[in-house]
Amino acid sequence: DQQVKQNSPSLSVQEGRISILNCDYTNSMFDYFLWYKKYPAEGPTFLISISSIKDKNEDGRFTVFLNKSAKHLSLHIVPSQPGDSAVYFCAARSSGAGSYQLTFGKGTKLSVIP
Amino acid sequence: EPEVTQTPSHQVTQMGQEVILRCVPISNHLYFYWYRQILGQKVEFLVSFYNNEISEKSEIFDDQFSVERPDGSNFTLKIRSTKLEDSAMYFCASSEALGLGETQYFGPGTRLLVL
Repeated sequence: DQQVKQNSPSLSVQEGRISILNCDYTNSMFDYFLWYKKYPAEGPTFLISISSIKDKNEDGRFTVFLNKSAKHLSLHIVPSQPGDSAVYFCAARSSGAGSYQLTFGKGTKLSVIP
Repeated sequence: EPEVTQTPSHQVTQMGQEVILRCVPISNHLYFYWYRQILGQKVEFLVSFYNNEISEKSEIFDDQFSVERPDGSNFTLKIRSTKLEDSAMYFCASSEALGLGETQYFGPGTRLLVL
């Protein structure tokens, strides 16, 4: 049951360039999406979110884009920095259905090369 | 910045033993969650808790699991009789409310190893 899919297990990007992490979902009831960053031996750290009524949300170097018709979202990091190297999880929930549990993707390991 | 804390960071136990994992959510948060991540797999939802009651639970959260808020600050997950397949990272999370824009903040996790 893969309602949230992150098809790229890993991504390498040069410092200063753009990192684009992708996420697809299948459940049309999802109405809120979040990105978390996780370092080894730590818990997921909230990064940025977007509700289904928007198609873009920006916070500093991080921008999340949502394409509801394609059931696709992406996280853009620009410029990428070595400290961004971590595992990035996409998560979704269907608040409108009265559920607040998060459904996670498997994660994408981002390596930013100095 | 307020954060969710969890103890212990690591726990090793024998199969069949009971374990209690502890969490201190962010102080003004009212909604609490447990998730787990088996090595190499996704983070999976276990249970959510509000107003001293379970509000939602997954299929994973069977009768071997229970949650409790024994006082005003702690939130615990008990596994009554551990199995090998319970070995995982267990994450506690909390959120201030349940509105559309509410974010869940996660603790650092407890690594449970069942032998």
